[in-house]
Amino acid sequence: AQSVSQHNHHVILSEAASLELGCNYSYGGTVNLFWYVQYPGQHLQLLLKYFSGDPLVKGIKGFEAEFIKSKFSFNLRKPSVQWSDTAEYFCAVGNAGNNRKLIWGLGTSLAVNP
Amino acid sequence: GAVVSQHPSRVICKSGTSVKIECRSLDFQATTMFWYRQFPKQSLMLMATSNEGSKATYEQGVEKDKFLINHASLTLSTLTVTSAHPEDSSFYICSAADSNQPQHFGDGTRLSIL
Repeated sequence: AQSVSQHNHHVILSEAASLELGCNYSYGGTVNLFWYVQYPGQHLQLLLKYFSGDPLVKGIKGFEAEFIKSKFSFNLRKPSVQWSDTAEYFCAVGNAGNNRKLIWGLGTSLAVNP
Repeated sequence: GAVVSQHPSRVICKSGTSVKIECRSLDFQATTMFWYRQFPKQSLMLMATSNEGSKATYEQGVEKDKFLINHASLTLSTLTVTSAHPEDSSFYICSAADSNQPQHFGDGTRLSIL
């Protein structure tokens, strides 16, 4: 069955700490991968995406993610978090030929203490 | 970037009322729109996929007669919750996509049924 697993449900960090959020997926075929972020009181926003090419993808606000095909993973990283990174982070997977339907992870709640 | 407008942002109404939520893509033509439901502390649950000019495809367990979806144009889709009851109270989110681009999300609608 198709699924997306985010290992960390709640993460609490201090400012300047490094961040890595895990995302593993189970999905047949070629995939497109996404990380979305939802800041408090706001709508979901695309953080970064992987379609093809360089497996290390750079997104907005200093985030990056690495697609490791052999591990079926697409972990999100940021070397130094800020208080403003406090948000919910969602990993999603779609079929490369049809991004219309995404499989979503349960999300990770990140709280960054100033 | 692409903007998706969702209206209203909040609805409070009595049990038995029907509620219509609009989702508009403001600067692109959305061949596909999605309707999600988000429960507190949980991921997005896809309710239905709507392609312009055709009937929506509902996910398993979603009542099509309860949640009426209309996608009459490339910029507008509506979700009508018919005869709403307290258990329908939730956060409803739409997203819009064209061809193979990532989904862009609306701000969501908080529906509260008394």
